This record gives sequence, C-alpha cells and structure tokens, in this order.
Amino acid sequence: AQSVSQHNHHVILSEAASLELGCNYSYGGTVNLFWYVQYPGQHLQLLLKYFSGDPLVKGIKGFEAEFIKSKFSFNLRKPSVQWSDTAEYFCAVNQRAGRRALTFGSGTRLQVQP
Amino acid sequence: GAGVSQSPSNKVTEKGKDVELRCDPISGHTALYWYRQRLGQGLEFLIYFQGNSAPDKSGLPSDRFSAERTGESVSTLTIQRTQQEDSAVYLCASSFRLGQSMEPQHFGDGTRLSIL
Repeated sequence: AQSVSQHNHHVILSEAASLELGCNYSYGGTVNLFWYVQYPGQHLQLLLKYFSGDPLVKGIKGFEAEFIKSKFSFNLRKPSVQWSDTAEYFCAVNQRAGRRALTFGSGTRLQVQP
Repeated sequence: GAGVSQSPSNKVTEKGKDVELRCDPISGHTALYWYRQRLGQGLEFLIYFQGNSAPDKSGLPSDRFSAERTGESVSTLTIQRTQQEDSAVYLCASSFRLGQSMEPQHFGDGTRLSIL
C-alpha cells in the first residue's frame, strides 16, 4: 500500500524566511504528485502537481516543488514567505496507472509571523 | 460559483441515527471522490465514482457506510447507525477527465459531522 509522510507537523516562520516542507512517499510504481493548501476557513486548493517532465515544478503564489525519484521525495519550497501563506499544506500521491484515489500526508501547519 | 458544493455544511446528530451527506460536483466532471478527515489527521479515501459506477470502494470503513451517484451528477454518502468515531469532516472532490489520473481533484468545503 502506498503512504505519504510529512515530517514537519507545525512550522513557524517569520515573514521573508525561506520555506521547505518535506514530503516522502512509498510506492514502487509511477505516481502523480500533488501539493494542496488549505487556508483558514477555506477548502483545499491545488498548489502544484507533477506527473512527468521537468522534476522542478512551479505552482501558484511563488511555490515550487522538486521531485527526486531516487529519494521518493517531493518537497515544497518558497524563497520568501508572507503572512498570507499561513495555512495547512498537504502532500498527496496517486498511481499513474492504478488507483485514482489520492493518498494524503497528515499535513503541515505553517504559521507565518509578521 | 462553479465549485464542488456539499450539504449540509454542519450536521450534529445522536449516536445510532442515520445521516445522509450530499455532494454536487463541478458540472462536466465525471470522477467523484469521497474522503474524510478526522481531527488532527490527514484525509482518508472512502470511495471513488466514475460516472455512476464505483470501481473503488476500498476505503469504506464498514458496511454502515454506503454511497451512490445518479448519472454523472449528485452523490450521497449515507452512514447508518452512526458511532462517535464517525465524527469527522467529510470531503467530496471531483475531477474532469475520466481515466486521467493526473487530473487534479477539486474539493468542496466539506460537511462537519458531529456524533453526540
């Protein structure tokens, strides 16, 4: 069975600090990878996704993520966070040719202090 | 708006009662998913519909849980004889292209279910 691990449960940063949130998955086959964000009081929104091509993908609001196949990782980064980035971030994976359902990590709560 | 719509937004009920949760997917989206999120945990998959058939029901936790979908539209998730451990936020998502696993899923606001 596939699984997703997000090692940082709660991250507190000051504005302008750099961000990196870890995500590792376990699955031997080909996967699609996603990062979702949930701002306070809002529904889950897609930040970015990777399924093929350049392993460095850029998403909305200045976020990017790098797929490193050898490490089964898909870490999320942002060079300079803003207070408005305060939210919960979820990494998710599904199988390219198999199970469509997403397997989610447990989420990382990011708090950006002004 | 044209997003995924779920109702009710909140439901409080007594243990042992049945509840029905509704999801209206984005128009034209052929795939529909149900997930739940217990407090402090990530999302758990429940069931997936392609059109009105359910090729993956592997996440339903017990036979008290069932779901149906009419046409390529509304879906209802029914929980019979609710238990306290059923308390969670139930999320519905839909995606566009049938069979395309890389199509992102679009989520609704969820139904917060509380079992007393």
